[in-house]
Amino acid sequence: DIQMTQSPSSLSASVGDRVTITCRASQSISSYLNWYQQKPGKAPKLLIYAASSLQSGVPSRFSGSGSGTDFTLTISSLQPEDFATYYCQQSYSIPITFGQGTRLEIK
Amino acid sequence: QVQLVQSGAEVKKPGASVKVSCKASGYTFTSYYMHWVRQAPGQGLEWMGIINPSGGSTSYAQKFQGRVTMTRDTSTSTVYMELSSLRSEDTAVYYCARDRTGTVTPEDWGQGTLVTVSS
Repeated sequence: DIQMTQSPSSLSASVGDRVTITCRASQSISSYLNWYQQKPGKAPKLLIYAASSLQSGVPSRFSGSGSGTDFTLTISSLQPEDFATYYCQQSYSIPITFGQGTRLEIK
Repeated sequence: QVQLVQSGAEVKKPGASVKVSCKASGYTFTSYYMHWVRQAPGQGLEWMGIINPSGGSTSYAQKFQGRVTMTRDTSTSTVYMELSSLRSEDTAVYYCARDRTGTVTPEDWGQGTLVTVSS
């Protein structure tokens, strides 16, 4: 199975900050990488697919980049509603696997 | 719009089985694969498997092989996930999620079903 490792595991930031979360795959996955946002008690929400494509309805302050084994999710200017947990997920091969999550907290 | 409505919370004893349903609407049911993903309390997301609602073929994560069965009923646009030989570690929220057009990417998610395993 492909292992996905996110860093950091948690992050404190302020409204308006630029934030970057990284995700590393244990082998090359080309651009088969997705990002999700999850708020407490809610289902995950797809933000970015295929490493850099913005899901419909997702604000443009979210962006993704990377290919191969290293990927990043960037939030250009944090908004209050962005404080949540973020997961990466590889769709290169079955079983699909998720990173352990990055909890983004208010500083 | 796409809607996935799951069955309600369940409490089961160790060794029992649970069957969770996921009723789909707002799209052609047989045109999109469906994933099952679970999340233990305070933990991350764990993929369990996928079903093709058209032919009923499945692929399960090795961890759940022999304990999980995913089925579908095309007449009601409903998929089911049954997990047997439950243990306390199976306590989790179970989600169904529609695949994003054959990309093995869970796109649209149900609201989740809490399954509690306790004696």
